[in-house]
Amino acid sequence: DTAVSQTPKYLVTQMGNDKSIKCEQNLGHDTMYWYKQDSKKFLKIMFSYNNKELIINETVPNRFSPKSPDKAHLNLHINSLELGDSAVYFCASSHPPGTSDYEQYFGPGTRLTVT
Amino acid sequence: KQEVTQIPAALSVPEGENLVLNCSFTDSAIYNLQWFRQDPGKGLTSLLLIQSSQREQTSGRLNASLDKSSGRSTLYIAASQPGDSATYLCAVKGGNEKLTFGTGTRLTIIP
Repeated sequence: DTAVSQTPKYLVTQMGNDKSIKCEQNLGHDTMYWYKQDSKKFLKIMFSYNNKELIINETVPNRFSPKSPDKAHLNLHINSLELGDSAVYFCASSHPPGTSDYEQYFGPGTRLTVT
Repeated sequence: KQEVTQIPAALSVPEGENLVLNCSFTDSAIYNLQWFRQDPGKGLTSLLLIQSSQREQTSGRLNASLDKSSGRSTLYIAASQPGDSATYLCAVKGGNEKLTFGTGTRLTIIP
């Protein structure tokens, strides 16, 4: 009965490859997010989707493309991976803005290592 | 641009002591403030959420306070235990719907 799940947990790949990370939530939330935690442990938002529509798009390279097939899923596809993409990527979900409970719930993270 | 700072970056205290973690933010126009803990190699666990209209929230041995006007929040942990060892992160949600995280305080409880 995991609330927010991500696959895979670990991903090791070579520069130039294309990879995807999947995220699913079973909390009935409308809003989902992707965050990146760098080597200094600093967490920064990348994207946010509300009911399958993009609402936040931080300044990230266009090699990163989120895709939301339905409101329970938000996948992150990364093209032409670079060494600097190595980080831990966290998915999160919440109720949408304006509701009384918009606490964010986080997945366990995906550790991406680009060699 | 919102900036969130947590001091100290690391803290070690003997088991059983009470302790306070600090969080400050530059833009007081926030919707809420959330405290998380992160264990090594793990995801984030939400501890407490304080709405902008609230002054504090309590859960068990944890108490979080919010002073929006001064841009400060504290997380008080009573009777610390070794299992409390983790990195504690505060995050503020602003009008742009973004959650801005602090750099974290790495807490070690010494048995």
